[in-house]
Amino acid sequence: GAVVSQHPSWVICKSGTSVKIECRSLDFQATTMFWYRQFPKQSLMLMATSNEGSKATYEQGVEKDKFLINHASLTLSTLTVTSAHPEDSSFYICSAPRGGWNEQFFGPGTRLTVL
Amino acid sequence: KQEVTQIPAALSVPEGENLVLNCSFTDSAIYNLQWFRQDPGKGLTSLLLIQSSQREQTSGRLNASLDKSSGRSTLYIAASQPGDSATYLCAVTVAGNMLTFGGGTRLMVKP
Repeated sequence: GAVVSQHPSWVICKSGTSVKIECRSLDFQATTMFWYRQFPKQSLMLMATSNEGSKATYEQGVEKDKFLINHASLTLSTLTVTSAHPEDSSFYICSAPRGGWNEQFFGPGTRLTVL
Repeated sequence: KQEVTQIPAALSVPEGENLVLNCSFTDSAIYNLQWFRQDPGKGLTSLLLIQSSQREQTSGRLNASLDKSSGRSTLYIAASQPGDSATYLCAVTVAGNMLTFGGGTRLMVKP
């Protein structure tokens, strides 16, 4: 199946710093990628849709100035958590659709802990 | 707004049992439905994808059915094994490739 990678797999940072998470489609091109966050024992919540060559689309309640998304190429989307605070600690997962059936392939996730 | 519900939220069974996990969605205007598996602290692994025009898909011991008109899908796991222990998530794809997830079913298969 298609492969989506994320880097880093985990990160610990101090409150007030910014953290960048990368999502790459390794064997296919993705004009669209999706960013989710997942709190412990909860399901995934869509944060934003990353569009190659244009602005990201954010879900209601997600601050676009706090969660900066850049879809720099057809294989790379980045999510930057700016001025991170402890409440931003979560599991961040990206996905990309592939194929005519638009099957979604997910990255392995990034565990962010803000101290 | 599309809402996806999964029942039960948690399930614990002895090894060898056949299982049925349920998923329901409120808006039948979907493109497809996917079942995923998530192990603790890991990403999602796609198990089965059912297109809106299809009724079911099978992969090994897994069988997923879709009744679009009634807004229901089931995931059938035959002869469960301890290695099947994980959280199972269903998600429907609506316009723009966006996925809406259910809350998941946490499955524990005891040896």
